[in-house]
Amino acid sequence: GAGVSQSPSNKVTEKGKDVELRCDPISGHTALYWYRQSLGQGLEFLIYFQGNSAPDKSGLPSDRFSAERTGGSVSTLTIQRTQQEDSAVYLCASNAGGEVNEKLFFGSGTQLSVL
Amino acid sequence: GNSVTQMEGPVTLSEEAFLTINCTYTATGYPSLFWYVQYPGEGLQLLLKATKADDKGSNKGFEATYRKETTSFHLEKGSVQVSDSAVYFCALRTGGGNKLTFGTGTQLKVEL
Repeated sequence: GAGVSQSPSNKVTEKGKDVELRCDPISGHTALYWYRQSLGQGLEFLIYFQGNSAPDKSGLPSDRFSAERTGGSVSTLTIQRTQQEDSAVYLCASNAGGEVNEKLFFGSGTQLSVL
Repeated sequence: GNSVTQMEGPVTLSEEAFLTINCTYTATGYPSLFWYVQYPGEGLQLLLKATKADDKGSNKGFEATYRKETTSFHLEKGSVQVSDSAVYFCALRTGGGNKLTFGTGTQLKVEL
């Protein structure tokens, strides 16, 4: 596609429910990132996929968070047993991964609200 | 660990005013530094970058100089326009990975 696509754009859920957030990166981009933006906070790194390498999961805040990237393209971020503190905008970004300081292309994010 | 500190917003300016958004950082090694911008309703996009000390990044009239001695990367523009209204994020990258560490963002509002 023309850009990084995320769905849904908004998600309201009840505390304790599981949610799945989807990211479609730009076609051909091998690197994919998930960030979280909470009110008053910076963008918090969550997880990074690069090609077929093992993902860098160092930013995942708890074992309730997991992410997959199937076929080197679409990624799904899953949050189990959601808590109110999980409310945030979840951003996905991608790039071709060919250069060290290559710019990231961001999606518009998923606004998650946990009631 | 790595961290980025930005001035708090919102910053409200009149059109054609001079803009400075402060950014300082803490990092191990020699980071690369970035400014990303998020226009209303859009995703973040790279505005400019500098990869070594004393480099100046520039784009769309914005500039930022990598100051190693003050660990700073302040964003400046000589004459802002209403269309510059957005949230600006300072970021850094260190080491061999591509993971970026971002600041909290500074909202800029430019009024006529």
